[in-house]
Amino acid sequence: ETGVTQSPTHLIKTRGQQVTLRCSSQSGHNTVSWYQQALGQGPQFIFQYYREEENGRGNFPPRFSGLQFPNYSSELNVNALELDDSALYLCASSLGGHTTDTQYFGPGTRLTVL
Amino acid sequence: RKEVEQDPGPFNVPEGATVAFNCTYSNSASQSFFWYRQDCRKEPKLLMSVYSSGNEDGRFTAQLNRASQYISLLIRDSKLSDSATYLCVVGGSSNDYKLSFGAGTTVTVRA
Repeated sequence: ETGVTQSPTHLIKTRGQQVTLRCSSQSGHNTVSWYQQALGQGPQFIFQYYREEENGRGNFPPRFSGLQFPNYSSELNVNALELDDSALYLCASSLGGHTTDTQYFGPGTRLTVL
Repeated sequence: RKEVEQDPGPFNVPEGATVAFNCTYSNSASQSFFWYRQDCRKEPKLLMSVYSSGNEDGRFTAQLNRASQYISLLIRDSKLSDSATYLCVVGGSSNDYKLSFGAGTTVTVRA
């Protein structure tokens, strides 16, 4: 196991609602990256947090936001949910923010938007 | 054009066979390359990093061709447990933070 945990494991919401997903990073890791994986697709990078600061962002609208806490755990918030937001949301922790740092994934949160 | 493209497969092979597949990437400045394995409805797990000189890990061999911007993975002596989706992953320049994933190549090993 990677030591990266995510909660909840499954979630069902309706269009327009808001959701908060949580991730606890592996011990000693200061970087958390969030990804969205739609069915049949590879994970798409949402953003990365390094030492509590956003370190970079993919092509996702501002209604996707995040936080990283002093213990390096992280939250992903999605406002005004749309049907297309239905996906597996993965977080990955790493020792640093460079792509050469191995990322270890949590088990994911499966979000269904009705 | 997608940043990372893979043949989706599926590759259906008998146990003991060799299977190989490629992916191509669009960013010539990319510096880091990986193969991840993803089992159905589970998280991706790092299979191996890919180095310029090529590298081997047991039955798995990865090659990188920077000139043609493709990465390959070869699995020898396939096992039933090798059945999975293999994700090709590419990182940007040395100061970059973003990993780009392909959509995956599905491999099914049959008895």
